[in-house]
Amino acid sequence: SQELEQSPQSLIVQEGKNLTINCTSSKTLYGLYWYKQKYGEGLIFLMMLQKGGEEKSHEKITAKLDEKKQQSSLHITASQPSHAGIYLCGADSPGSGGYQKVTFGIGTKLQVIP
Amino acid sequence: DAGVTQSPTHLIKTRGQQVTLRCSPKSGHDTVSWYQQALGQGPQFIFQYYEEEERQRGNFPDRFSGHQFPNYSSELNVNALLLGDSALYLCASSFPLAGGNSYEQYFGPGTRLTVT
Repeated sequence: SQELEQSPQSLIVQEGKNLTINCTSSKTLYGLYWYKQKYGEGLIFLMMLQKGGEEKSHEKITAKLDEKKQQSSLHITASQPSHAGIYLCGADSPGSGGYQKVTFGIGTKLQVIP
Repeated sequence: DAGVTQSPTHLIKTRGQQVTLRCSPKSGHDTVSWYQQALGQGPQFIFQYYEEEERQRGNFPDRFSGHQFPNYSSELNVNALLLGDSALYLCASSFPLAGGNSYEQYFGPGTRLTVT
């Protein structure tokens, strides 16, 4: 079964600093999702990456997919307190009948100190 | 446009009891997936419903069952509750993206289940 490893598991940064979160898969990535979660709440969709080398940006968040390395990275520029939360990567993994299901990493907890 | 809604928000049950959680998908979505998220862990896939049929299932025992209604809303039922079933239960709705199997999922706020 596919496993996703996220690093670091937790991160504390000063407001205004840049940061990077990594997500490494045990198998080839076909579709990679990034979500943000506030403690005890639902997941907020950030971005989806499907092609090797693909890069997407939304506001100050950029995500890249390196298919050869089976890895994705999420980069936040000039972090703000509003960026605090848990960042989860999820990957499409083959299921029975050819339908896809999503496997998630354990998450990276981000704290931004004003 | 209402997003994914779930009810109830919180629930406390006793071991051995049964529980039903409900989910209404985002407008236009026909596929509903359920996930269990234990404290400090990522969500674990339970099962997925499409056209009122379970078409995909994760590694969960038969105590976990579900249903999808003609209006695409869904229920998750858990029988014979165990302490280990305490978790945040998330519902996600989606529609297939053109040209492939990947799909963008929208999550509800979750139901926090506590089993005592």
